[in-house]
Amino acid sequence: AQSVAQPEDQVNVAEGNPLTVKCTYSVSGNPYLFWYVQYPNRGLQFLLKYITGDNLVKGSYGFEAEFNKSQTSFHLKKPSALVSDSALYCCAVNTNAGKSTFGDGTTLTVKP
Amino acid sequence: DAGVTQSPTHLIKTRGQQVTLRCSPKSGHDTVSWYQQALGQGPQFIFQYYEEEERQRGNFPDRFSGHQFPNYSSELNVNALLLGDSALYLCASSFPGAAYEQYFGPGTRLTVT
Repeated sequence: AQSVAQPEDQVNVAEGNPLTVKCTYSVSGNPYLFWYVQYPNRGLQFLLKYITGDNLVKGSYGFEAEFNKSQTSFHLKKPSALVSDSALYCCAVNTNAGKSTFGDGTTLTVKP
Repeated sequence: DAGVTQSPTHLIKTRGQQVTLRCSPKSGHDTVSWYQQALGQGPQFIFQYYEEEERQRGNFPDRFSGHQFPNYSSELNVNALLLGDSALYLCASSFPGAAYEQYFGPGTRLTVT
């Protein structure tokens, strides 16, 4: 069975500071890893994905994530946070059969 | 090319009633999955339809059922609604050969009173 852990329910950072949202996973076989962002009263919005290749993946809005196979992690990062980045961030691992397993989500709050 | 579409956008039902939610997949996609997302939490997998049959199912009771039509669109039915069924219901579709990549719709917000 596959699983995803997002160990922090909430992450608070000051605007302009770097941010990290953590994600670890467990899956048999090759992991297909995704990050999504969700703003209040909106659906999931795709940020970035790791399928294969470079461990550092760059995505939308200046976000990036680093795939670390030995630590089974896929942490989301941004060098300089914006107030508008405040949202719920969801990490997911997918299988070849198309089932997505999500973490519990991390609420990011960026303060001015 | 339209993405994944869902209807209705919002829905209010009373406890004990039944509800049907609808999803049209992205063009060229043949697999549809449904997810339930409680407020402030990550989505939970309900089930997946492929070739008009339920292929995978998550840990949800039989009150949750679905259907896929020949045009690949899908319905999610929930019977005997409970207050705890209040959530955002997300539909996702994927295409042959890349089932691991899900494209999500905007969701249907269900409120049970």
